Amino acid sequence: DAGVIQSPRHEVTEMGQEVTLRCKPISGHDYLFWYRQTMMRGLELLIYFNNNVPIDDSGMPEDRFSAKMPNASFSTLKIQPSEPRDSAVYFCASTLTGEAFFGQGTRLTVV
Amino acid sequence: AQKITQTQPGMFVQEKEAVTLDCTYDTSDPSYGLFWYKQPSSGEMIFLIYQGSYDQQNATEGRYSLNFQKARKSANLVISASQLGDSAMYFCAMRGVHASGGSYIPTFGRGTSLIVHP
Repeated sequence: DAGVIQSPRHEVTEMGQEVTLRCKPISGHDYLFWYRQTMMRGLELLIYFNNNVPIDDSGMPEDRFSAKMPNASFSTLKIQPSEPRDSAVYFCASTLTGEAFFGQGTRLTVV
Repeated sequence: AQKITQTQPGMFVQEKEAVTLDCTYDTSDPSYGLFWYKQPSSGEMIFLIYQGSYDQQNATEGRYSLNFQKARKSANLVISASQLGDSAMYFCAMRGVHASGGSYIPTFGRGTSLIVHP
């Protein structure tokens, strides 16, 4: 398996624009997580899915953030409209029962 | 709720020496897992080692070992024979029952920055 695949690796966008981050988890994993990493707050769990169903989105900072998992092999995290304070590295991770495997992350810069 | 604490924001070690990175945790669940991840400057999160709460022996993976002291709720990472390539951020994480009820949700500490000097 190629591991967790995220795209894009880097995204620079203007404030107010819509941003969509994509994730392909490891085949067979039934948990998918979206994390945000910043210097100030460290690694924050934004939302997680179990068997494609969103279980807990209490970490999503605002209504501007939304996430979907239409099938077992694909998930998106959308920010609309984006703001400069959303600049961070966004990680997707998946697991079955043990350690979480992370994607390479998407470095988002909102100017 | 589960909580992970890493009290060392930064550590320095001489090449070829051993170093211990501290991690304490708090949970009321009898079943949980503890992990360490390495994040080099390139940014990826690399899984290093896992310890289950019921494991009798400390986990080891090559130069990495996890000093698991259940009564003290600590899970320190020991890196033996440090190498320059070990310079990175190290995160301790715990898998346990989340507030939402999910069982495999990792919670992360704030990390420790390790610098290995030649």
